[in-house]
Amino acid sequence: QSVLAQPPSASGTPGQRVTISCSGGLSNIGRNTVNWYQQFPGMAPKLLIYNNIHRPSGVPDRFSGSKSDASASLAISGLQSEDEADYYCSVWDDSLYGWVFGGGTKLTVL
Amino acid sequence: EVQLVESGGGLVQPGGSLRLSCAASGFAFDTYSLQWVRQAPGKGLEYVSLISANGRSTYYANSVKGRFTISRDNSKNTLYLQMGSLRPEDTGVYYCARPRTQYDFSDAFDIWGQGTMVTVSS
Repeated sequence: QSVLAQPPSASGTPGQRVTISCSGGLSNIGRNTVNWYQQFPGMAPKLLIYNNIHRPSGVPDRFSGSKSDASASLAISGLQSEDEADYYCSVWDDSLYGWVFGGGTKLTVL
Repeated sequence: EVQLVESGGGLVQPGGSLRLSCAASGFAFDTYSLQWVRQAPGKGLEYVSLISANGRSTYYANSVKGRFTISRDNSKNTLYLQMGSLRPEDTGVYYCARPRTQYDFSDAFDIWGQGTMVTVSS
């Protein structure tokens, strides 16, 4: 059971907008910033969003993040087939004094 | 090019030991904290351990505390994970990762190695 709750799956058709939620608690999302990672099968994770809303260089602006209280969301607009991957939220937990991850969401582009 | 390359994975029996290495290049190694993250087959990411830039502070997930030891040799630009009393549930790909900013272990990790597979089985 992951500390952060994510839906196990999400789907959309090309061009659609999809959101993935990440729910935590006061000791993690409630106090610290959220990061999102994208992972393709057999590959290492890639940083997608950091500090709730910021995109590293090279990440398309179709990807956006938000946070409210103890929850966060990743939105992907103009969905493309190459967005099909697993997505993980992550945040520092002040009680555990370590990083926690969501269980991951498998995004399918129909 | 900034790079992390893990090695040392393999097949080990339950109760056995293994040492993983992560060789870094392309950046000022001794100014960054580093972490290990693992992923069981078909499962999600799990934080394992974290070490400060100077190696004096170390942190562990409860699942590995007392069994794993993280360390680094800044003269060799190498991170280590000594794993002991291994269990089948320790099986997975082990990644080393570096945060975006120097001296900040609570920042997002933007550099990841390719991972090394550890299999604990009799």
